[in-house]
Amino acid sequence: GAGVSQSPRYKVAKRGQDVALRCDPISGHVSLFWYQQALGQGPEFLTYFQNEAQLDKSGLPSDRFFAERPEGSVSTLKIQRTQQEDSAVYLCASSRPGGGEVVGYTFGSGTRLTVV
Amino acid sequence: LAKTTQPISMDSYEGQEVNITCSHNNIATNDYITWYQQFPSQGPRFIIQGYKTKVTNEVASLFIPADRKSSTLSLPRVSLSDTAVYYCLVRRSTGFQKLVFGTGTRLLVSP
Repeated sequence: GAGVSQSPRYKVAKRGQDVALRCDPISGHVSLFWYQQALGQGPEFLTYFQNEAQLDKSGLPSDRFFAERPEGSVSTLKIQRTQQEDSAVYLCASSRPGGGEVVGYTFGSGTRLTVV
Repeated sequence: LAKTTQPISMDSYEGQEVNITCSHNNIATNDYITWYQQFPSQGPRFIIQGYKTKVTNEVASLFIPADRKSSTLSLPRVSLSDTAVYYCLVRRSTGFQKLVFGTGTRLLVSP
């Protein structure tokens, strides 16, 4: 597609519920990133994929957070047993090989997760 | 990666030039300076990147002095639609990039 697509756009979850957030990167983009953005703050890195390989997951805040990209295209960020502190916007970004250096990363519009 | 510091907020009026300065005292030799723009309910959007001196594109100009310890994003003749948060980042020249965002500068453009 023309841009990075994220779904759902909004998600309300009851505390303790599991959620799955989807990211469709731009076709051909091998690098994929997930970021978490709390209200009034800048985005914070969660994890990075190069094709299907998860090369960095140092930003995942706990073992309740899990990300996958099994075929090197679509990625899913899963949060188990959601807590109120998980409420945030979850952003996905992708980049073509070498593209990050020249034109930056393309971000989706995010999924706003609210845990009640 | 070098930490960046920029003003929390700025106000301007339509038609004025806006300059947002960012300090990055510990920038490394191979680091680039990158700026992103974020509108409400959208993800950040890359606007400009530079290494030294001056870079200009259709959106903005980026001025980087010789010591590279700071940089200035210049937006010519802003309009209401330039109201956004602007992030200054430092990134390595090649390879995997874990972009580190600060809190950014909230620019409010008024009529």
